[in-house]
Parts: sequence; structure tokens; C-alpha cells
Amino acid sequence: EPEVTQTPSHQVTQMGQEVILRCVPISNHLYFYWYRQILGQKVEFLVSFYNNEISEKSEIFDDQFSVERPDGSNFTLKIRSTKLEDSAMYFCASSPTGAGQYFGPGTRLTVT
Amino acid sequence: AQSVTQLDSHVSVSEGTPVLLRCNYSSSYSPSLFWYVQHPNKGLQLLLKYTSAATLVKGINGFEAEFKKSETSFHLTKPSAHMSDAAEYFCVVSPSNQAGTALIFGKGTTLSVSS
Repeated sequence: EPEVTQTPSHQVTQMGQEVILRCVPISNHLYFYWYRQILGQKVEFLVSFYNNEISEKSEIFDDQFSVERPDGSNFTLKIRSTKLEDSAMYFCASSPTGAGQYFGPGTRLTVT
Repeated sequence: AQSVTQLDSHVSVSEGTPVLLRCNYSSSYSPSLFWYVQHPNKGLQLLLKYTSAATLVKGINGFEAEFKKSETSFHLTKPSAHMSDAAEYFCVVSPSNQAGTALIFGKGTTLSVSS
């Protein structure tokens, strides 16, 4: 069964550094998403992406964040100048045309 | 605004007994509703979804949920718990059934299953 994959599974970075989290969505899906879950808190929506542009974003998704689909398979989340409060589990998801999003295993980002 | 409330942060059952995980939602639209499960160190797996068709929705691994508009509830049930059901369960709402729409998660319910 096709799955969403994410790399790395765990990323440690120093405050102020840039990180890129990578995702490979399910191959025939058209919509892509990023969510995050800070330890002990709810899973929160960050951004959705369709047809090579952002279709929806939350208040969390400010100028510090960007997304890109650099080729036909990868979908990336870039976080510039990381802060301690960016430490969280980041989930990528994808969906076909209907409802129901399929999530990857997540990348745990630790900012020190 | 849409929101989801999971009424129990932790539920403990014995193997072979029924499971009930409670969820209430708030939505000004006709929502789509989902249950996701997260096993330790795994991703979020879609258990089932309601998108304005039948109110009783069957999912994977014997789980089902009933959409009750009058009670704004979408409780998850299973007749007989299995040890492998121990996990974190999330009730999720989307304001529409169209792709590209943000999902809104509840805080999660941890299900423990004892032998």
C-alpha cells in the first residue's frame, strides 16, 4: 500500500539555523500539507499546497516558513532562523481529489 | 469556527471488552469528520471518515463511528478491544469535504488495553 514518507525522522539544529524537512507524498495525490504537533499540544495545520502554489495557510505559517515542490516527487518545508519554540513533530500529508488526508510518520525537530 | 472536543484524555479497557471514544464537534457548515490513530513512533493513520453519506461509518480494524447531528457527536466504537488497539486516537473535523482544506484536530485520547 502506498505511503507518505518523511526524512529525516529526527533533526537536531541550533537556534538561528535553517532546516529543510522533506516529504514524498503518495504518487497520484494532488494536494499536499504540513502540520505540526508541539509536545503535549494538538496537531496544528500549517499549510496546504496544490498546483504548485499555496492554497491555504494558517497564522502559524509566517515568513519564517516556506514550502516547495522542487521536482515531481518531493515536497519540502523550509524553516528559516529556527527558534526554540519551533521544536515539534512535523507531519506531511497528501490527498487525492476527495476528503481524507494521508499522513507520513513525521519528523521530530529539536531546536537547541 | 470549527472545533473538536474529545471528552476523555485517557480510556482504559480490558481485552475483549467494548471500546467507546467520545468526540463532540462544533461546525457552522456540514462538516467532514474523521478518526485517526497514531501508534507509538508511527504516523497518523486514517481509521474512518464521514462525508455526509451514511451516518454509520465503518472503518478499518473493526472500528465504526456514528454521526449524530442532533448531538453534534461522532463517537468511535469497537465491539471487542484487542491489545494492538492501544494507541492515541484523534477526532478530526474539516469544514468541507473538498481536498486542500485544513483539518482541525482534537487533543487526542490515549487508549490502553489490558490483558
